[in-house]
Amino acid sequence: DQQVKQNSPSLSVQEGRISILNCDYTNSMFDYFLWYKKYPAEGPTFLISISSIKDKNEDGRFTVFLNKSAKHLSLHIVPSQPGDSAVYFCAASGVNAGNMLTFGGGTRLMVKP
Amino acid sequence: DAGVIQSPRHEVTEMGQEVTLRCKPISGHNSLFWYRQTMMRGLELLIYFNNNVPIDDSGMPEDRFSAKMPNASFSTLKIQPSEPRDSAVYFCASSDRGWLQETQYFGPGTRLLVL
Repeated sequence: DQQVKQNSPSLSVQEGRISILNCDYTNSMFDYFLWYKKYPAEGPTFLISISSIKDKNEDGRFTVFLNKSAKHLSLHIVPSQPGDSAVYFCAASGVNAGNMLTFGGGTRLMVKP
Repeated sequence: DAGVIQSPRHEVTEMGQEVTLRCKPISGHNSLFWYRQTMMRGLELLIYFNNNVPIDDSGMPEDRFSAKMPNASFSTLKIQPSEPRDSAVYFCASSDRGWLQETQYFGPGTRLLVL
């Protein structure tokens, strides 16, 4: 059973608009969440993270929101740029959940010029 | 820093052959992870080493898969014998496992095709 789910396999957004990528998790032991970005023929690269003691973390155009009660997190990209087109993976870990990253299936974001 | 280095970048082999994938983690990182990415299952953890010792190999699909880390700067993932369903992209990642930092740095991956 997948503990981390990204229910949207793809998302298409116009340049300049907001991109919202969603992620749901089931394991309440997860206390640290990360987003990775992956370009074709490259490995995933770390983008932004959030600890469960926070509900928001912002880094430039990227903001991650965490709703612990709903076991849901989202990544907002504002404004979206064509260079943001990639596959985005949500990942979760926890000291009491094995301390290893569990990844979602990924969402392919396409930002159209 | 060169980042995580993986070789080969591409591998095409025939069913039944032995395949060895190699990884050099980032210097100073004491944790190493092997992942497999497929369309069906996404990115799944195969095995995790800490200080060269395998900690969790529960993700290794079956006995045909084995992984070693003889020293802090080198790891191998071996498939013997290989099967067409092993075709996937295999990633190696490393981490320094600082407190509250589970950030892992991934290599470029090895794309394996088993015919």
